[in-house]
Amino acid sequence: DAKTTQPNSMESNEEEPVHLPCNHSTISGTDYIHWYRQLPSQGPEYVIHGLTSNVNNRMASLAIAEDRKSSTLILHRATLRDAAVYYCMLISNTAGNMLTFGGGTRLMVKP
Amino acid sequence: GAGVSQSPSNKVTEKGKDVELRCDPISGHTALYWYRQSLGQGLEFLIYFQGNSAPDKSGLPSDRFSAERTGGSVSTLTIQRTQQEDSAVYLCASSLVGGGAGANVLTFGAGSRLTVL
Repeated sequence: DAKTTQPNSMESNEEEPVHLPCNHSTISGTDYIHWYRQLPSQGPEYVIHGLTSNVNNRMASLAIAEDRKSSTLILHRATLRDAAVYYCMLISNTAGNMLTFGGGTRLMVKP
Repeated sequence: GAGVSQSPSNKVTEKGKDVELRCDPISGHTALYWYRQSLGQGLEFLIYFQGNSAPDKSGLPSDRFSAERTGGSVSTLTIQRTQQEDSAVYLCASSLVGGGAGANVLTFGAGSRLTVL
């Protein structure tokens, strides 16, 4: 499956926007860009996903580059509860997915 | 059910014993995944089931690990002759597969924490 690259960690101040980058230069046409996050001592949870157009939901926004080789997860106002590991994944809409997670980005939010 | 259910939530066992971990996916989800997460580490893929297809077992770390999925629903991960390095949180996820906006979105269970003494 296609590989993603994310920074190991990022820091943000509370109430400020956070932009979490992900590079996926080998993305294929059937790959959706998914973001998940894992809060401390919990299983991962879905955040957002998209194919080509930017996406917004109640948790975050996803900005996808025009060539789809990179994307950015945007948390508009970081809270302490957003401190987590954020994973970017490529998931094809065809069957037969052996989905592997990269190392993710550990987001630390300072009060 | 409304979410992915895993049991037991915690299991403490002695080295050499066999353990079974259960995952009950969301009803109608044809894809089911098992992952392992050791303390402070990332998610390690173990096995993937999709409908009636043969499972992808490429992530299983040794032949002590096996998994089955009966009737396309509940899955059991079995670890035989447990070792201390098997101690980890075992996470299960399920999803719909195919086209459509909601397809392939993974829903995870809370995990089963295994401690091998």
